[in-house]
Amino acid sequence: RKEVEQDPGPFNVPEGATVAFNCTYSNSASQSFFWYRQDCRKEPKLLMSVYSSGNEDGRFTAQLNRASQYISLLIRDSKLSDSATYLCVGGGYQKVTFGIGTKLQVIP
Amino acid sequence: EPEVTQTPSHQVTQMGQEVILRCVPISNHLYFYWYRQILGQKVEFLVSFYNNEISEKSEIFDDQFSVERPDGSNFTLKIRSTKLEDSAMYFCASSAFSTGGDGYTFGSGTRLTVV
Repeated sequence: RKEVEQDPGPFNVPEGATVAFNCTYSNSASQSFFWYRQDCRKEPKLLMSVYSSGNEDGRFTAQLNRASQYISLLIRDSKLSDSATYLCVGGGYQKVTFGIGTKLQVIP
Repeated sequence: EPEVTQTPSHQVTQMGQEVILRCVPISNHLYFYWYRQILGQKVEFLVSFYNNEISEKSEIFDDQFSVERPDGSNFTLKIRSTKLEDSAMYFCASSAFSTGGDGYTFGSGTRLTVV
């Protein structure tokens, strides 16, 4: 089983839609989790950290379920500019594991 | 906003040549990383570095690769004898904490093309 597993998509959604991405991880030693956004041929950029208590930043909500080893990202009211690949990232001790990324295309 | 800078942005090299990729991490970060991403594939961990030594490395990081922090600011990745399959985007990253803390900051990458 891969350490961090994501559905690669693509997810094609209309503008204004709500979309949810999920990610599962197998390494129970991973201590911190993040969602990163990567645009084509660019570096990954931190979108948000993920906590068990959940966290929200504007239209984005992330949640971590340690018991199920499951991470989610919810994007509300999608914008065209949200089109990108969303990377689920697990941080262990001085080692970071990336998922394959989920591609999102927001359509006008 | 503090950033990680990488040079060069593009490098083309002949197979068998040595290349050095350079990075300047965020100044108050203590943990440094190199990753690579082959076109169309996932971001892969290569190596982490702390306190002037390698902390973790992946299977990809074989004897052809080495890292160094030659001074207080630069962090370099050397590939001794490049192969065609080394062609990829190489990202440097840094973090303030060993498990990421408030996140890992990535540089904009060096696109390495081996011909």
